[in-house]
Amino acid sequence: DTAVSQTPKYLVTQMGNDKSIKCEQNLGHDTMYWYKQDSKKFLKIMFSYNNKELIINETVPNRFSPKSPDKAHLNLHINSLELGDSAVYFCASRPVGRMNTEAFFGQGTRLTVV
Amino acid sequence: DAKTTQPPSMDCAEGRAANLPCNHSTISGNEYVYWYRQIHSQGPQYIIHGLKNNETNEMASLIITEDRKSSTLILPHATLRDTAVYYCIVNAGNNRKLIWGLGTSLAVNP
Repeated sequence: DTAVSQTPKYLVTQMGNDKSIKCEQNLGHDTMYWYKQDSKKFLKIMFSYNNKELIINETVPNRFSPKSPDKAHLNLHINSLELGDSAVYFCASRPVGRMNTEAFFGQGTRLTVV
Repeated sequence: DAKTTQPPSMDCAEGRAANLPCNHSTISGNEYVYWYRQIHSQGPQYIIHGLKNNETNEMASLIITEDRKSSTLILPHATLRDTAVYYCIVNAGNNRKLIWGLGTSLAVNP
């Protein structure tokens, strides 16, 4: 069973379009994240949700909007896509409440904006 | 969260031990040292973590210096499948964000 699953794995779209990436975790974790990995391979956090509540919101354009219908899902909606949005997006989850917990990552969604 | 410093790349012969160093001189007392790896643009994979004591699991060993300012990840018998980028992160856990550097690109050679 896949612990953290993202769909789609690949997404190619034109500038100006609106798209969504879905993420689901079956680990029962309370905290979920979205990360962006650019061409230089830096992994940078975008958002973090704890039990459907937004707790980290980095300086991300408001074209990006996370939505958490329940604590097992954290979807990422992107409006008016730009060329610079091309990257690999990773979803992750982590249990909360204990200091020494590890994060589990999905396999990534490679977004290409043309 | 403290920053970490790692060499950008390392080589290791298959079957030999791979020792990956990490400096984290500004680590706080409540911050753990975590190691993750990323194989060819797959999702990062957790390896091991520790606070003060050395740790070992089925994947690797983690050696943390007494002053906690540096650590070494040891892959005891590296295989070709261990070729990946290895990230050292210090983090206080809970809702704190993981801050990632560029890691060490380990090449295991036959």
